[in-house]
Amino acid sequence: GEDVEQSLFLSVREGDSSVINCTYTDSSSTYLYWYKQEPGAGLQLLTYIFSNMDMKQDQRLTVLLNKKDKHLSLRIADTQTGDSAIYFCAETPNQAGTALIFGKGTTLSVSS
Amino acid sequence: NAGVTQTPKFQVLKTGQSMTLQCAQDMNHEYMSWYRQDPGMGLRLIHYSVGAGITDQGEVPNGYNVSRSTTEDFPLRLLSAAPSQTSVYFCASRDRQNSPLHFGNGTRLTVT
Repeated sequence: GEDVEQSLFLSVREGDSSVINCTYTDSSSTYLYWYKQEPGAGLQLLTYIFSNMDMKQDQRLTVLLNKKDKHLSLRIADTQTGDSAIYFCAETPNQAGTALIFGKGTTLSVSS
Repeated sequence: NAGVTQTPKFQVLKTGQSMTLQCAQDMNHEYMSWYRQDPGMGLRLIHYSVGAGITDQGEVPNGYNVSRSTTEDFPLRLLSAAPSQTSVYFCASRDRQNSPLHFGNGTRLTVT
């Protein structure tokens, strides 16, 4: 079946880089997404990558995709306390009308 | 553009009561969905709709009904609330398959 796995917690110091990892199971997924959820708020789209790419960079964010291993990572450079949040990885199974499948989320804690 | 609007933000129900969680989007998105978020469980799909008049079940549909009479609205009905339905509920929409989901800010429901 479809499943997206993430580690549950990551703790870093302000200024360090954070790397959040994700594995997915559906090799036909065309897009993979990273969402951020701050306390008490909804999910905000951070970035996404198309399955024919292996890297995407957007300011402090770098997404790496290894299709062979079905592994996705999100690197946040120069992590700030405002980056503390839950980060969700999501895949799009290649079935008409199917919603995104989310991982359980990684809680990033940034200490100053 | 308001995006995806959910009401109410908070609700407390007694076991056995019924209620409707409202969701509206003004982006003319065909696809709408409901998720529930529970600690340690991530987001789980309840129901989704690919257009007006069309709905389908997700991963955890029991105890919930939906309808889609218009493109804009996708209400979620709890027929007889149970404590197991205590959760945060998110509505989301997108304009086509593989495009990012846009989330509302959520409804926090407590059933006593």
